[in-house]
Amino acid sequence: ETGVTQSPTHLIKTRGQQVTLRCSSQSGHNTVSWYQQALGQGPQFIFQYYREEENGRGNFPPRFSGLQFPNYSSELNVNALELDDSALYLCASSLVTKSGYTEAFFGQGTRLTVV
Amino acid sequence: EDKVVQSPLSLVVHEGDTVTLNCSYEVTNFRSLLWYKQEKKAPTFLFMLTSSGIEKKSGRLSSILDKKELFSILNITATQTGDSAVYLCAPYNNNDMRFGAGTRLTVKP
Repeated sequence: ETGVTQSPTHLIKTRGQQVTLRCSSQSGHNTVSWYQQALGQGPQFIFQYYREEENGRGNFPPRFSGLQFPNYSSELNVNALELDDSALYLCASSLVTKSGYTEAFFGQGTRLTVV
Repeated sequence: EDKVVQSPLSLVVHEGDTVTLNCSYEVTNFRSLLWYKQEKKAPTFLFMLTSSGIEKKSGRLSSILDKKELFSILNITATQTGDSAVYLCAPYNNNDMRFGAGTRLTVKP
């Protein structure tokens, strides 16, 4: 158990709809990163939030957006869903300080299917 | 453009065998390299390597980083069926991990 929890575990949405995925970070961690993992591939970085601000973004369109809350939990929002958005969405939490950073621990993921 | 290549892509061995998984990378602003094991959903953390040439060990698993040649290896000795999984390497730059496609290891009884 990593202490990182994601909800929901599974989700089916229709093309064009919007979806919100949630992540509670491990206690003491201040950074959350989101990844998309298509079948048979490694996770692809979507973005990272550090102290409630976006701190880096991968090659994903603006319809992928996020939030981090004062308790460091986070949301990933995807608008105008496309079939290719079907994937496992993973969040990872870590602690980043001025002197360094810890390894990232992953949640169990949300399996999103777009039909 | 950043690149992470893992080899082999898949590997089938028998219990008791020793395996070596490879990860080569070209990543800007490299800071460290992490290895994860993914069985069903959540990747589980194995190692974080920051310094070159220093082997990290955890039981039957060990890993080392070569920052000059830009690669890392993960060794598993005396493999067990429970080692069957996808092994992911992820160089870490300023704010994200760049994952390779992974090596799928299957350990047969």
